[in-house]
Amino acid sequence: DVKVTQSSRYLVKRTGEKVFLECVQDMDHENMFWYRQDPGLGLRLIYFSYDVKMKEKGDIPEGYSVSREKKERFSLILESASTNQTSMYLCASSLATNEKLFFGSGTQLSVL
Amino acid sequence: GIQVEQSPPDLILQEGANSTLRCNFSDSVNNLQWFHQNPWGQLINLFYIPSGTKQNGRLSATTVATERYSLLYISSSQTTDSGVYFCAVVNSGGYQKVTFGTGTKLQVIP
Repeated sequence: DVKVTQSSRYLVKRTGEKVFLECVQDMDHENMFWYRQDPGLGLRLIYFSYDVKMKEKGDIPEGYSVSREKKERFSLILESASTNQTSMYLCASSLATNEKLFFGSGTQLSVL
Repeated sequence: GIQVEQSPPDLILQEGANSTLRCNFSDSVNNLQWFHQNPWGQLINLFYIPSGTKQNGRLSATTVATERYSLLYISSSQTTDSGVYFCAVVNSGGYQKVTFGTGTKLQVIP
């Protein structure tokens, strides 16, 4: 079965901290994605990656960066966390473009 | 960018009832997927359906790409069907990213 693993289910951080959210997939998928989900706003794409060391901005990249040093791992970085980055963060992967998308279980991040 | 709208936004069903959820999109697409987000937040891929009709148990989906809509049918609903249903599309332009609809929140009551 397809497995996308996010490192933490719940995370609490302070304003100004550097935050790393990790995502690992075990299916040799080419594409990986980071979304955030907020009530009333649905899922919004932050960044995605089509290959190792490759990244593309999504709809809301401001305040975030990403890293993909290995094919199976895609990290989301909040350089200086702010309260408006409190959200549910969802990682996803797909075998290739236009293939089925599989999600991790999400990380609920609270920035105080 | 492409706009994806879902209707209805909220739906309450008696257990055993049938329902139809709709997804409209504003531009041509390369693929369309339906997801169910359970009350614990996990998103499960239900269908990959860029066109045509597919069935999986009590669920079926139809996409009419030329008319830019897709329908998700739920028959004989169960309380475990509760949650939020999303459709997601990849536009057929040069910039291929997945865009999600606004979601339909379904509550099935016993």
